[in-house]
Amino acid sequence: AQSVTQLGSHVSVSEGALVLLRCNYSSSVPPYLFWYVQYPNQGLQLLLKYTTGATLVKGINGFEAEFKKSETSFHLTKPSAHMSDAAEYFCAVSDHGSGATNKLMFGTGTLLAVQP
Amino acid sequence: DTAVSQTPKYLVTQMGNDKSIKCEQNLGHDTMYWYKQDSKKFLKIMFSYNNKELIINETVPNRFSPKSPDKAHLNLHINSLELGDSAVYFCASSPSLGAVNEKLFFGSGTQLSVL
Repeated sequence: AQSVTQLGSHVSVSEGALVLLRCNYSSSVPPYLFWYVQYPNQGLQLLLKYTTGATLVKGINGFEAEFKKSETSFHLTKPSAHMSDAAEYFCAVSDHGSGATNKLMFGTGTLLAVQP
Repeated sequence: DTAVSQTPKYLVTQMGNDKSIKCEQNLGHDTMYWYKQDSKKFLKIMFSYNNKELIINETVPNRFSPKSPDKAHLNLHINSLELGDSAVYFCASSPSLGAVNEKLFFGSGTQLSVL
């Protein structure tokens, strides 16, 4: 079975500082990994995903994540935080088995605060 | 136009009542989902439907009954509401079953409070 663990339920950074949100996964098969963002009072939006190929994936709003199989990690980074990045971030792994029962399993989220 | 819309946005009700949440998507997707987000922000799938057919039922109590009159709509009816049902319920859609590995489109959520 697949699962993800997000280390740190709250992360606070200064505007312009590096953003690092941690995600580790557990999977018995090569994983499909995702980061979703949830702004206040909104649904989740896809930031980026890794399925196969290049292990460094770039997403929207300047975010990127690197799949590291040896570390079972998929940490999310952004070189310089903006105030508008303040949101809840969710890491997810796909149970990409038979297709019919594909489902995403989410981590518990990391709330990112950006200080002026 | 909102791609995935759900109503109501807020729902406050007493224990034991029956309530429904409606969801509609105008994206032409075949697959729709209901997710429950608890007070600790943990997001867990409840159901998925593909072209009106139930695909996933994640051991949700049978007080929860999803209904899909057509592939653009997936409603959630909850009988005999309990305190533990308080959560934010998200509807989502994807172009097809396999497309969960591509991108899910989420509604903005329904915050249910059971008193």
